[in-house]
Amino acid sequence: GAVVSQHPSWVICKSGTSVKIECRSLDFQATTMFWYRQFPKQSLMLMATSNEGSKATYEQGVEKDKFLINHASLTLSTLTVTSAHPEDSSFYICSARGTGGRSGWNEQYFGPGTRLTVT
Amino acid sequence: GENVEQHPSTLSVQEGDSAVIKCTYSDSASNYFPWYKQELGKGPQLIIDIRSNVGEKKDQRIAVTLNKTAKHFSLHITETQPEDSAVYFCAASPTGNQFYFGTGTSLTVIP
Repeated sequence: GAVVSQHPSWVICKSGTSVKIECRSLDFQATTMFWYRQFPKQSLMLMATSNEGSKATYEQGVEKDKFLINHASLTLSTLTVTSAHPEDSSFYICSARGTGGRSGWNEQYFGPGTRLTVT
Repeated sequence: GENVEQHPSTLSVQEGDSAVIKCTYSDSASNYFPWYKQELGKGPQLIIDIRSNVGEKKDQRIAVTLNKTAKHFSLHITETQPEDSAVYFCAASPTGNQFYFGTGTSLTVIP
């Protein structure tokens, strides 16, 4: 299957600072990327959907000014957690959907996740 | 919107036995049903999927069945091995874009 990477795999930051997480599709072009948040022993919660070159669509209850998403190219999307607080500590996972071919017509392939801890 | 329920939440089986995880969905427009395996501290990995024009799909020890009328689909793992231990998520997609995930099943295969 298609490969998606995330960087960093874990990060610790101080309260009030901003953190950027990168999501890359390594062997396919991702027209759409998704950002999820997962709390321990819980399911994935969709935060936002981003299409290359356009603004992200945020799910209800997700603050777009706090979780900035940029999908600048067909292989890269970034999530920036601004003014992070301890309650933002979580496992953040991206996924990417391609245009077909190797990535399939609508399969989502997930990155390995980023563990964010805000102290 | 779509609502996906998944059962059981935890499942323990002896090595070599079969494991079955069931999901139901509410939106008849859903037409794509993937299953993901998530190991501790890692992202979900697609293990098998099925589309609404197919009733069953098999890949080695893993199979998925779909009953569109009843709006349920199941994951079947045969000859389970310790490395099958993980959390499994089902999902349903009515648009091919947004996925609605089940609550997960923690599978433990006892050697």
